[in-house]
Amino acid sequence: EVVLTQSPDFQSVTPKQKVTITCRASQNIGTSLHWYQQKPDQSPKLLIKYASQSMSGVPSRFSGGGSGTDFTLTVNSLEAEDAATYYCHQSSFLPMTFGQGTRLDIK
Amino acid sequence: QVLLQESGPGLVKPSETLSLTCTVSGGSISTYCWSWVRQPPGKGLEWIGYVYDSGSTNYNPSLKSRLTISVDTSKNQFSLRLTSVTAADTAVYYCARSRTGRNFFDPWGQGNLVTVSS
Repeated sequence: EVVLTQSPDFQSVTPKQKVTITCRASQNIGTSLHWYQQKPDQSPKLLIKYASQSMSGVPSRFSGGGSGTDFTLTVNSLEAEDAATYYCHQSSFLPMTFGQGTRLDIK
Repeated sequence: QVLLQESGPGLVKPSETLSLTCTVSGGSISTYCWSWVRQPPGKGLEWIGYVYDSGSTNYNPSLKSRLTISVDTSKNQFSLRLTSVTAADTAVYYCARSRTGRNFFDPWGQGNLVTVSS
């Protein structure tokens, strides 16, 4: 199965800071990589589909990029409400798999 | 707006069968693919398997021998059945929609915590 490795596992950031989360796939998955935000006691919410396509209603400070095996989720000018765990997910191969998650803490 | 709602027992005994149902409202269950994803407490997400409205399925090999996912289009519901559960199956179980079997998940249900304990 495709292993997705996110980095970092945890990051503490200040408001208005820029943060980049990376997701590395164990094999080429093209652009079949999606990003979710999960806040405590909530279900995951889709932010970015197919590596770089932002979902309707998602703030423009969220952007995604990459292809093949290396992907990024960037949050520009972080806000307090962005405190959450972020997961990448690949749908290129079955079984579909997720990264281990990156927890963002806002100071 | 399509909404998904999981339902089922919150406590299952070891070696017994875990059964959950996801009810789809605000839209038809037809022409989409429907998945189950689980998340052990404090841990990450694991795709369990999916079912199409036709009844066609695909399962995660790690669970395949114990798993059945089915669909009831007349009730706009799909279901998960996991046999011979152990404490390792304790998790929040989510249902989610995708356009095809290999695709992103949107939307998700709110989740149903299932604890395996005697």
